[in-house]
Amino acid sequence: EVQLLDSGGGLVQPGWSLRLSCEASGFTFNTYAMAWVRQAPGRGLEWVSTISANGGATYYAKSVKGRFTISRDNSKNTLYLQMNGLGVEDAALYYCARDSPRYTFDFWGQGTLVTVSS
Amino acid sequence: DIQMTQSPSSVSVPVGDGVTITCRASQGIRASLAWYQQKPGKAPKLLIYAASSLQSGVPSRFSGRGSGTDFTLTIDSLQPEDFATYYCQQTTSFPLTFGGGTRVDIK
Repeated sequence: EVQLLDSGGGLVQPGWSLRLSCEASGFTFNTYAMAWVRQAPGRGLEWVSTISANGGATYYAKSVKGRFTISRDNSKNTLYLQMNGLGVEDAALYYCARDSPRYTFDFWGQGTLVTVSS
Repeated sequence: DIQMTQSPSSVSVPVGDGVTITCRASQGIRASLAWYQQKPGKAPKLLIYAASSLQSGVPSRFSGRGSGTDFTLTIDSLQPEDFATYYCQQTTSFPLTFGGGTRVDIK
């Protein structure tokens, strides 16, 4: 059974950093691209970032480029999102998702909540 | 960026009736479109990929059609568990973009 376990969210002040993690199980992690998608409270879905299966290619939404870094450790079956310079506009529920088929998200984590407030 | 526009934003439907949701892309995306269902407090669930392919385990009352810029998701004979918010997403190029969502309520 495919499982994605998101963690690392919390309450931070504007300008602070946070690292999200997503532990994957039930599939061959190193053969799938992975992504982060976020959802602000009461709002729709927003794609944040995608990383290729071997980590060699990364893609970002304009709203986070230069501040967020997606990475993965295939030896640990874990996906990461390093978020720097957080602003109130980054407050959301962050989901990790498996990319399959191409650029489609067939499995999602339960989400981890990021709150940005002074 | 490719903009995705869904309509309606919300709709009320009696149990047993059908409903069609529309998604329009700001430029042609061939058949590179996915549909998701999201219930309150839950992660989205993939329903349809490549515009018309039913994801494994999804009931056959869900169907998708379209190509180019205009797409539809149809739910035949709505069941109580189908009341949720539905999102389309273009899967052709980065940045990946979602529609604003369509909330389907019980009438």
